Amino acid sequence: NAGVMQNPRHLVRRRGQEARLRCSPMKGHSHVYWYRQLPEEGLKFMVYLQKENIIDESGMPKERFSAEFPKEGPSILRIQQVVRGDSAAYFCASSPLGSKETQYFGPGTRLLVL
Amino acid sequence: DQQVKQNSPSLSVQEGRISILNCDYTNSMFDYFLWYKKYPAEGPTFLISISSIKDKNEDGRFTVFLNKSAKHLSLHIVPSQPGDSAVYFCAASAILSAGNMLTFGGGTRLMVKP
Repeated sequence: NAGVMQNPRHLVRRRGQEARLRCSPMKGHSHVYWYRQLPEEGLKFMVYLQKENIIDESGMPKERFSAEFPKEGPSILRIQQVVRGDSAAYFCASSPLGSKETQYFGPGTRLLVL
Repeated sequence: DQQVKQNSPSLSVQEGRISILNCDYTNSMFDYFLWYKKYPAEGPTFLISISSIKDKNEDGRFTVFLNKSAKHLSLHIVPSQPGDSAVYFCAASAILSAGNMLTFGGGTRLMVKP
């Protein structure tokens, strides 16, 4: 049973470019969470999605960031016009039902903005 | 406003001895707590969890204790092994959160010396 998959593992972008991060949840999991970890800090919640629905995006910056989890395919976290402050590790987690279920994390995508 | 705090950024323990990692929280609505272990360049790995209706949960060498009145939890690892060297994050979720979003502490780096 494959775990949570994220790609790419490393992504380098220049300021102003777009970054697309992908997450495939564990088999049977329909709930996806995105977290961001800045250097030397803990993980910070960004957004929680179910298939075709954004349930909670309270941790997502209002501008330039968007997320989706289509009916088919992986969840996508999209960052437009990246800035140096977006450099971080972005982790995706999935759980089977959502409420009070343990979340299982992927290996993360390390975004570096030059 | 840090709702989950791990006040010790690092801890060094001799192999075979007990490791005690501490975590404090401020939000009285938190009702589910988890510990994750993280190696460099990997995603967090779930270790153990505890519901607020319990004060102790044990799984092999790992025990989590919850003191609700003090808003404090701790993770005990006995006996500690060199392979336990990693960063440990405590995390919490709240009763009324829409989908179990986790709030993480800043992490404690555990070093187990052979």
